[in-house]
Amino acid sequence: DVKVTQSSRYLVKRTGEKVFLECVQDMDHENMFWYRQDPGLGLRLIYFSYDVKMKEKGDIPEGYSVSREKKERFSLILESASTNQTSMYLCASRSQGRGTGELFFGEGSRLTVL
Amino acid sequence: GESVGLHLPTLSVQEGDNSIINCAYSNSASDYFIWYKQESGKGPQFIIDIRSNMDKRQGQRVTVLLNKTVKHLSLQIAATQPGDSAVYFCAENLGSGYSTLTFGKGTMLLVSP
Repeated sequence: DVKVTQSSRYLVKRTGEKVFLECVQDMDHENMFWYRQDPGLGLRLIYFSYDVKMKEKGDIPEGYSVSREKKERFSLILESASTNQTSMYLCASRSQGRGTGELFFGEGSRLTVL
Repeated sequence: GESVGLHLPTLSVQEGDNSIINCAYSNSASDYFIWYKQESGKGPQFIIDIRSNMDKRQGQRVTVLLNKTVKHLSLQIAATQPGDSAVYFCAENLGSGYSTLTFGKGTMLLVSP
């Protein structure tokens, strides 16, 4: 059974803290993605990666960075968390690079920044 | 529970009814579309997809219709069940050179027994 695993389901952090959200997929997918999901705004793409050590900005990259050192792992980093980064974060992966094929999502990480 | 459903259009149906969820997409160059279901507290799950060279595709109890003329996508769920209660998202792929999907804001489906 294919799986995208996000390491933390719920996190509470303080303003200014550095936050790491980890995501691992076991499907040998080339493409991995980080989205955030907020009420009324839907899913918005933060960053994606189409290969190891490669990354591309999505629609809302400000305040975030990513790391892809291994094919199966894609990390989202908040260098200095702020309250407006309180959100649900969803990691996803996808196999084909040519624009078809479903995204497989993790269960989400709900981050609260106080 | 998950707060993703706040501020969403909501469709309320009775168990056994057929449900139709609509989605307007933004880009006439989009060539691939997916419907996802998201239950409370979970990540989105794939339901069905359709390529732009088709106008209809059927799955188990679900049918997706694509009208490229008006950039409209719909998801039909037959004999809706309480377990179908969730938020439903459409997503479009902006063309074969792109590997990302753009998501709609979602519709909440509520099924009463």
